Amino acid sequence: GAVVSQHPSRVICKSGTSVKIECRSLDFQATTMFWYRQFPKQSLMLMATSNEGSKATYEQGVEKDKFLINHASLTLSTLTVTSAHPEDSSFYICSAFLAGVAGEQFFGPGTRLTVL
Amino acid sequence: GENVEQHPSTLSVQEGDSAVIKCTYSDSASNYFPWYKQELGKRPQLIIDIRSNVGEKKDQRIAVTLNKTAKHFSLHITETQPEDSAVYFCAARAGTALIFGKGTTLSVSS
Repeated sequence: GAVVSQHPSRVICKSGTSVKIECRSLDFQATTMFWYRQFPKQSLMLMATSNEGSKATYEQGVEKDKFLINHASLTLSTLTVTSAHPEDSSFYICSAFLAGVAGEQFFGPGTRLTVL
Repeated sequence: GENVEQHPSTLSVQEGDSAVIKCTYSDSASNYFPWYKQELGKRPQLIIDIRSNVGEKKDQRIAVTLNKTAKHFSLHITETQPEDSAVYFCAARAGTALIFGKGTTLSVSS
């Protein structure tokens, strides 16, 4: 199956700093990628839809100026958490959409962000 | 937008029993319904999916049924084993994005 990687897998940062998370589709091109956030013992909440070469579409309640998304190529999307605060600590998971008849979505391994 | 409700939130069964998890969705345009198993700290793993032109799909001990009229779909696991213990999520897709239910923590005791 298709492979999606995420980097870093874990990051600890101080409050007020910015953190960048990379999501790569390794063996296919993904015009659309998605970013989810998962708090402990909760579900995956869609944050935004990232389309290559255009602005991301954010879900209601997600601050676009705080969570910057860039999808500069067909294999890479980045999420930057700006001015991170302890409440931003969460598990961030990306997924890449493989278009076609099947239209499958492949998930990255996730990034555990801890803001001190 | 799409809203997915999932029940129950927790489910405890004895090894060998069957487990059923149910989900409802709100957007009649949704046409793809996957089920994921997630272990702690890991990515969701697709275990089975069904599309809106099919009413039922089975893969060994796992089956999914879909009722488009009622807008609900269910996951059935037969002959449960301790290794089936995990959190299970249903999801629905109308366009490209998956919207997830809140999850069911399944515990299978031996």
